[in-house]
Amino acid sequence: QVLLVQSGAEVKEPGASVKVSCKASGYTFTGYYIHWVRQAPGQGLEWMGWISPKSGGTNYAQKFQGRVTMTRDTSINTAYMELSRLRSDDTAVYYCARDVLLRGAHWFDPWGQGTLVTVSS
Amino acid sequence: EIVLTQSPGTLSLFPGERATLSCRASQSVSSSYLTWYQQKPGQAPRLLIYGASSRATGIPDRFSGSGSGTDFTLTISRVEPEDFALYYCQQYGSSPPITFGQGTRLEIK
Repeated sequence: QVLLVQSGAEVKEPGASVKVSCKASGYTFTGYYIHWVRQAPGQGLEWMGWISPKSGGTNYAQKFQGRVTMTRDTSINTAYMELSRLRSDDTAVYYCARDVLLRGAHWFDPWGQGTLVTVSS
Repeated sequence: EIVLTQSPGTLSLFPGERATLSCRASQSVSSSYLTWYQQKPGQAPRLLIYGASSRATGIPDRFSGSGSGTDFTLTISRVEPEDFALYYCQQYGSSPPITFGQGTRLEIK
């Protein structure tokens, strides 16, 4: 069973950093990109970027350039997303998702269960 | 940036009715890169349709996707009580690679 399990909820003060983990199981971790998507309360889905677990290469959405860092540890099949200089509008549920490429089509499946990050003083 | 506009914002139907959800792109999208997800309260999004028209494993055949170019549609032939949820379309392009529509809420009338 393919599964992505994320770390628990975090509460951070403005200006701090947060690092969320995403542990993969049930498939070859290095064979699929991992994406990060966030969802502010009552809002839609916002793509943040991806990491290639095989090479460590990344591609970040322009909005998050300079504030987000995506890394991975292949020895424990885990991807990480670190967001720095947190602001109150970074309060959101952060999801990781596996990128599947098959027959020329791309999609996300599965998704992690989500990690709520609350930024508050 | 490719902007996806979903309509309607909210769709109110009785169980058993047909649901038609629209996703319009600001420029042409390859059908291979158009995906639909369902999200229920407190849950992560769930894959429904990939490649614009292919159902994911385990998705009932009352769900179907169609369209090409800039206009895509998700249809639920007869809405079941468990189908009331949020639905998002997504495109996987080149720059930026990924955008989502703002979502359509399917609610019980």
